[in-house]
Amino acid sequence: EAGVTQFPSHSVIEKGQTVTLRCDPISGHDNLYWYRRVMGKEIKFLLHFVKESKQDESGMPNNRFLAERTGGTYSTLKVQPAELEDSGVYFCASSQEKQRGGYNEQFFGPGTRLTVL
Amino acid sequence: EDKVVQSPLSLVVHEGDTVTLNCSYEVTNFRSLLWYKQEKKAPTFLFMLTSSGIEKKSGRLSSILDKKELFSILNITATQTGDSAVYLCAGRRLKTSYDKVIFGPGTSLSVIP
Repeated sequence: EAGVTQFPSHSVIEKGQTVTLRCDPISGHDNLYWYRRVMGKEIKFLLHFVKESKQDESGMPNNRFLAERTGGTYSTLKVQPAELEDSGVYFCASSQEKQRGGYNEQFFGPGTRLTVL
Repeated sequence: EDKVVQSPLSLVVHEGDTVTLNCSYEVTNFRSLLWYKQEKKAPTFLFMLTSSGIEKKSGRLSSILDKKELFSILNITATQTGDSAVYLCAGRRLKTSYDKVIFGPGTSLSVIP
Protein backbone atom coordinates (compact mmCIF):
# COMPACT_ATOMS: atom_id res chain seq x y z
CA GLU A 1 0.00 0.00 0.00
CA ALA A 2 1.39 3.41 -0.96
CA GLY A 3 2.12 5.80 1.88
CA VAL A 4 1.56 9.52 2.05
CA THR A 5 3.32 11.24 -0.83
CA GLN A 6 4.30 14.86 -1.20
CA PHE A 7 5.41 16.89 -4.16
CA PRO A 8 7.83 18.46 -4.74
CA SER A 9 10.45 17.10 -2.37
CA HIS A 10 12.33 20.38 -2.50
CA SER A 11 11.41 23.83 -3.78
CA VAL A 12 13.63 26.90 -3.99
CA ILE A 13 11.87 30.17 -4.80
CA GLU A 14 12.49 33.85 -4.42
CA LYS A 15 10.74 36.08 -1.96
CA GLY A 16 7.45 37.29 -3.40
CA GLN A 17 6.88 34.27 -5.61
CA THR A 18 4.11 31.73 -5.24
CA VAL A 19 4.59 28.07 -4.41
CA THR A 20 2.05 25.24 -4.27
CA LEU A 21 2.77 22.10 -2.31
CA ARG A 22 0.82 18.93 -2.89
CA CYS A 23 -0.02 16.06 -0.59
CA ASP A 24 -1.59 12.74 -1.55
CA PRO A 25 -2.83 10.93 1.56
CA ILE A 26 -3.17 7.19 1.96
CA SER A 27 -6.22 6.07 0.02
CA GLY A 28 -9.31 6.00 2.20
CA HIS A 29 -7.92 8.28 4.90
CA ASP A 30 -10.45 10.99 5.68
CA ASN A 31 -8.14 13.01 7.90
CA LEU A 32 -5.37 15.06 6.37
CA TYR A 33 -3.01 17.28 8.33
CA TRP A 34 -0.42 19.85 7.36
CA TYR A 35 2.54 20.58 9.62
CA ARG A 36 5.60 22.76 9.28
CA ARG A 37 9.06 22.60 10.77
CA VAL A 38 11.18 25.70 10.53
CA MET A 39 14.92 25.54 11.18
CA GLY A 40 15.75 24.63 14.75
CA LYS A 41 12.15 24.54 15.89
CA GLU A 42 9.57 21.86 16.54
CA ILE A 43 7.07 20.52 14.04
CA LYS A 44 4.02 22.75 14.28
CA PHE A 45 0.46 22.01 13.32
CA LEU A 46 -0.98 24.11 10.50
CA LEU A 47 -4.38 22.67 9.73
CA HIS A 48 -6.58 19.61 9.62
CA PHE A 49 -9.05 18.48 6.96
CA VAL A 50 -11.77 15.93 7.46
CA LYS A 51 -12.57 14.93 3.93
CA GLU A 52 -12.90 18.23 2.08
CA SER A 53 -13.79 20.33 5.14
CA LYS A 54 -11.35 22.33 7.21
CA GLN A 55 -11.77 21.04 10.76
CA ASP A 56 -9.12 23.22 12.35
CA GLU A 57 -6.94 25.84 10.70
CA SER A 58 -5.77 27.51 13.87
CA GLY A 59 -2.12 26.88 13.06
CA MET A 60 -2.08 28.70 9.73
CA PRO A 61 0.42 31.55 10.15
CA ASN A 62 -1.38 34.21 8.12
CA ASN A 63 -3.53 34.77 5.06
CA ARG A 64 -0.63 34.19 2.69
CA PHE A 65 -1.26 30.50 3.25
CA LEU A 66 -4.19 28.78 1.56
CA ALA A 67 -4.96 25.08 1.85
CA GLU A 68 -7.52 23.22 -0.20
CA ARG A 69 -8.73 19.67 -0.45
CA THR A 70 -11.26 19.60 -3.23
CA GLY A 71 -13.07 16.29 -3.46
CA GLY A 72 -11.58 15.11 -0.22
CA THR A 73 -8.60 13.39 -1.81
CA TYR A 74 -5.32 15.19 -2.33
CA SER A 75 -4.59 18.55 -0.76
CA THR A 76 -2.62 21.59 -1.83
CA LEU A 77 -0.99 24.25 0.29
CA LYS A 78 -0.30 27.48 -1.51
CA VAL A 79 1.98 30.21 -0.18
CA GLN A 80 1.45 33.56 -1.90
CA PRO A 81 3.54 35.66 -1.75
CA ALA A 82 6.31 33.70 -0.07
CA GLU A 83 8.47 35.38 2.57
CA LEU A 84 11.89 34.40 3.93
CA GLU A 85 10.41 33.13 7.20
CA ASP A 86 8.28 30.62 5.31
CA SER A 87 11.35 28.48 4.68
CA GLY A 88 11.16 25.09 6.33
CA VAL A 89 9.94 21.55 5.84
CA TYR A 90 6.23 21.12 5.25
CA PHE A 91 4.88 17.74 6.30
CA CYS A 92 1.58 16.21 5.44
CA ALA A 93 0.02 13.38 7.43
CA SER A 94 -3.14 11.34 7.06
CA SER A 95 -5.18 9.06 9.26
CA GLN A 96 -8.34 7.02 9.09
CA GLU A 97 -11.68 8.19 10.37
CA LYS A 98 -11.48 8.55 14.12
CA GLN A 99 -13.12 5.80 16.11
CA ARG A 100 -14.85 6.73 19.32
CA GLY A 101 -12.33 6.91 22.14
CA GLY A 102 -9.58 5.65 19.90
CA TYR A 103 -6.54 7.05 18.23
CA ASN A 104 -5.83 6.58 14.58
CA GLU A 105 -2.15 6.82 13.87
CA GLN A 106 -1.09 9.69 11.68
CA PHE A 107 1.10 8.52 8.83
CA PHE A 108 3.53 11.16 7.68
CA GLY A 109 4.76 11.97 4.23
CA PRO A 110 8.44 12.67 3.50
CA GLY A 111 7.93 16.43 3.56
CA THR A 112 8.61 19.25 1.13
CA ARG A 113 11.63 21.36 1.91
CA LEU A 114 10.84 24.93 0.98
CA THR A 115 13.64 27.46 0.67
CA VAL A 116 12.72 31.11 0.13
CA LEU A 117 15.64 33.29 -0.99
CA GLU B 1 -0.10 27.48 25.63
CA ASP B 2 0.53 23.77 25.03
CA LYS B 3 4.18 22.84 25.18
CA VAL B 4 6.35 19.74 24.80
CA VAL B 5 9.99 19.89 25.83
CA GLN B 6 12.64 17.30 25.04
CA SER B 7 16.12 16.77 26.38
CA PRO B 8 18.80 16.44 25.44
CA LEU B 9 18.42 18.11 22.05
CA SER B 10 21.40 16.23 20.72
CA LEU B 11 23.26 13.14 21.82
CA VAL B 12 26.24 11.19 20.48
CA VAL B 13 26.87 7.69 21.79
CA HIS B 14 28.87 4.61 20.84
CA GLU B 15 27.30 1.43 19.57
CA GLY B 16 26.20 -0.76 22.45
CA ASP B 17 25.47 2.14 24.79
CA THR B 18 22.09 2.60 26.43
CA VAL B 19 20.38 5.95 26.05
CA THR B 20 17.48 7.64 27.77
CA LEU B 21 15.57 10.40 26.03
CA ASN B 22 13.38 12.71 28.06
CA CYS B 23 10.10 14.39 27.31
CA SER B 24 8.02 16.68 29.48
CA TYR B 25 4.70 18.13 28.47
CA GLU B 26 2.04 20.67 29.31
CA VAL B 27 -0.93 19.83 27.13
CA THR B 28 -4.52 20.87 27.76
CA ASN B 29 -7.01 17.98 27.70
CA PHE B 30 -4.11 15.59 27.45
CA ARG B 31 -4.99 12.17 26.06
CA SER B 32 -1.71 10.42 25.35
CA LEU B 33 1.97 10.77 24.61
CA LEU B 34 3.40 9.75 21.26
CA TRP B 35 6.95 8.91 20.25
CA TYR B 36 8.11 9.09 16.64
CA LYS B 37 11.40 8.28 14.95
CA GLN B 38 12.47 10.50 12.08
CA GLU B 39 15.33 9.36 9.92
CA LYS B 40 15.86 11.07 6.62
CA LYS B 41 12.30 11.89 5.78
CA ALA B 42 8.92 11.04 7.28
CA PRO B 43 8.47 10.57 11.04
CA THR B 44 7.40 7.01 11.81
CA PHE B 45 5.28 6.07 14.78
CA LEU B 46 6.93 4.20 17.67
CA PHE B 47 4.66 4.24 20.72
CA MET B 48 1.52 5.69 22.15
CA LEU B 49 1.32 5.91 25.95
CA THR B 50 -1.95 6.62 27.65
CA SER B 51 -1.63 5.21 31.16
CA SER B 52 0.98 5.97 33.79
CA GLY B 53 3.49 3.36 34.82
CA ILE B 54 2.84 0.87 32.03
CA GLU B 55 5.96 0.25 30.01
CA LYS B 56 5.66 -0.25 26.30
CA LYS B 57 8.36 -2.26 24.57
CA SER B 58 9.38 -2.89 21.02
CA GLY B 59 12.63 -4.76 20.67
CA ARG B 60 15.39 -2.67 22.21
CA LEU B 61 13.12 0.34 22.62
CA SER B 62 10.90 0.94 25.60
CA SER B 63 8.95 3.87 26.93
CA ILE B 64 6.99 4.81 30.01
CA LEU B 65 4.71 7.67 30.98
CA ASP B 66 4.29 9.47 34.30
CA LYS B 67 1.07 11.47 34.15
CA LYS B 68 1.56 12.90 37.61
CA GLU B 69 4.92 14.42 36.76
CA LEU B 70 3.91 15.04 33.11
CA PHE B 71 6.94 13.17 31.89
CA SER B 72 7.93 10.34 29.60
CA ILE B 73 11.18 8.61 28.78
CA LEU B 74 12.28 6.58 25.80
CA ASN B 75 15.01 4.04 26.42
CA ILE B 76 17.12 2.42 23.76
CA THR B 77 19.39 -0.40 24.89
CA ALA B 78 22.39 -1.81 23.01
CA THR B 79 22.22 1.03 20.49
CA GLN B 80 23.09 0.39 16.85
CA THR B 81 24.08 2.79 14.08
CA GLY B 82 20.62 2.29 12.61
CA ASP B 83 19.14 3.95 15.67
CA SER B 84 20.64 7.25 14.54
CA ALA B 85 17.66 9.55 13.97
CA VAL B 86 15.68 12.38 15.46
CA TYR B 87 13.28 11.12 18.11
CA LEU B 88 10.15 13.20 18.42
CA CYS B 89 7.89 13.30 21.41
CA ALA B 90 4.36 14.63 20.97
CA GLY B 91 1.38 15.26 23.19
CA ARG B 92 -2.01 14.25 21.89
CA ARG B 93 -4.74 16.62 22.90
CA LEU B 94 -8.42 16.02 22.56
CA LYS B 95 -10.05 19.03 20.95
CA THR B 96 -13.81 18.64 20.64
CA SER B 97 -14.21 15.53 18.51
CA TYR B 98 -10.73 15.18 17.08
CA ASP B 99 -7.11 14.92 18.11
CA LYS B 100 -4.48 17.57 17.93
CA VAL B 101 -0.82 16.62 18.18
CA ILE B 102 1.77 18.98 19.68
CA PHE B 103 5.37 18.09 18.92
CA GLY B 104 8.52 18.70 20.89
CA PRO B 105 11.72 19.86 19.18
CA GLY B 106 13.16 16.36 18.98
CA THR B 107 16.34 14.72 20.22
CA SER B 108 18.94 14.11 17.54
CA LEU B 109 20.68 10.82 18.34
CA SER B 110 23.89 9.83 16.60
CA VAL B 111 25.25 6.34 17.22
CA ILE B 112 28.85 5.93 16.15
CA PRO B 113 30.56 2.56 15.59
